[in-house]
Amino acid sequence: SQKIEQNSEALNIQEGKTATLTCNYTNYSPAYLQWYRQDPGRGPVFLLLIRENEKEKRKERLKVTFDTTLKQSLFHITASQPADSATYLCAPHTGGFKTIFGAGTRLFVKA
Amino acid sequence: DVKVTQSSRYLVKRTGEKVFLECVQDMDHENMFWYRQDPGLGLRLIYFSYDVKMKEKGDIPEGYSVSREKKERFSLILESASTNQTSMYLCASRDLGLGHYNEQFFGPGTRLTVL
Repeated sequence: SQKIEQNSEALNIQEGKTATLTCNYTNYSPAYLQWYRQDPGRGPVFLLLIRENEKEKRKERLKVTFDTTLKQSLFHITASQPADSATYLCAPHTGGFKTIFGAGTRLFVKA
Repeated sequence: DVKVTQSSRYLVKRTGEKVFLECVQDMDHENMFWYRQDPGLGLRLIYFSYDVKMKEKGDIPEGYSVSREKKERFSLILESASTNQTSMYLCASRDLGLGHYNEQFFGPGTRLTVL
């Protein structure tokens, strides 16, 4: 069955460093992959989308890579700030109506 | 500013009660979704609707039903609430767009506790 793996352990980093979050998927070939941010007690908010023919996508301090051979996406936040502390969800998508979300990785950025 | 609203942020119900969760979006989106989110399990799709009066089962539809009589409103119904339905419920909508690439817009969530 389709499976998405994100680090279940929280990631703790110091302010100013680069945070790197991993999303691995198995048993399917997504046409694109989305990343969302979720703050405690709130709904997820869309951040970035990367298509299968794109290796890398950037938006301000965010960078996403998509390696279809490794079946992996990396999500980077450069010059991280305490306000970046949240849970980040990845969602590899095959293009149908349904979206399958990973369980998310919690990021803590310490001042 | 686009918005998805849910009828309650917190709800406490008793076992066996019929529970209605309402979701309204103001973006004229065709697709709407209901998820539940539990620690360690992520978002799981309960039902979705690709258009008015259309609905499809998601991955965990048992014990739930839905209604979409108007484009902007998607209701989730727990026919007879049970304690294992205690969870955070999230509604989302999405513009149909091209190739379903478009992102989902989520509501703030309803934290339901069934006693």
